[in-house]
Amino acid sequence: AAGVIQSPRHLIKEKRETATLKCYPIPRHDTVYWYQQGPGQDPQFLISFYEKMQSDKGSIPDRFSAQQFSDYHSELNMSSLELGDSALYFCASSLGGPGGGGELFFGEGSRLTVL
Amino acid sequence: DAKTTQPPSMDCAEGRAANLPCNHSTISGNEYVYWYRQIHSQGPQYIIHGLKNNETNEMASLIITEDRKSSTLILPHATLRDTAVYYCIVRVGSGGGADGLTFGKGTHLIIQP
Repeated sequence: AAGVIQSPRHLIKEKRETATLKCYPIPRHDTVYWYQQGPGQDPQFLISFYEKMQSDKGSIPDRFSAQQFSDYHSELNMSSLELGDSALYFCASSLGGPGGGGELFFGEGSRLTVL
Repeated sequence: DAKTTQPPSMDCAEGRAANLPCNHSTISGNEYVYWYRQIHSQGPQYIIHGLKNNETNEMASLIITEDRKSSTLILPHATLRDTAVYYCIVRVGSGGGADGLTFGKGTHLIIQP
């Protein structure tokens, strides 16, 4: 069965650079979520989108932005990168709305290293 | 969302049942109990969820107390591949919506050979 696809899997950037992560949800899923997991930390919720509209917002820095496109894929844009942004970034998708089951399906993550 | 409390770590012998407790004493009537697990550096994996009745699927069983203030995730025959951090999460509704899951500290379950 198709899973959540994230790209790139690994990314190395310098401080103050910009990075973009992409997420392709499971087919027919209309909701995507972004999480950040630092070394030894638990996943922290950043932001979510349902039907291309921002739905919920967590601890996403102002330097980060995200959007969901008409084909339901999502991109997380990170600017003015700092060393502390080095982390695993997970995308998850679900079937939202009244018919959804609430279960989130996670991708394998994108590992960002800021030097 | 209600706060959950889990033991930081547990050991279980391979082949035995692993019973992972979770306290959620402030749970509201419309909040479901979800369990996820994360094997080292992989994406979290959904296991099971429930409202008030006990639930079972191919991975695990979920036992929720009658007052709903605590629950237990049961892995009936633990294998080495079940070594992971297990997260108990309370979340409003199961009928969709896009509210983010809040991961707490979780329980690091170590299956011993």
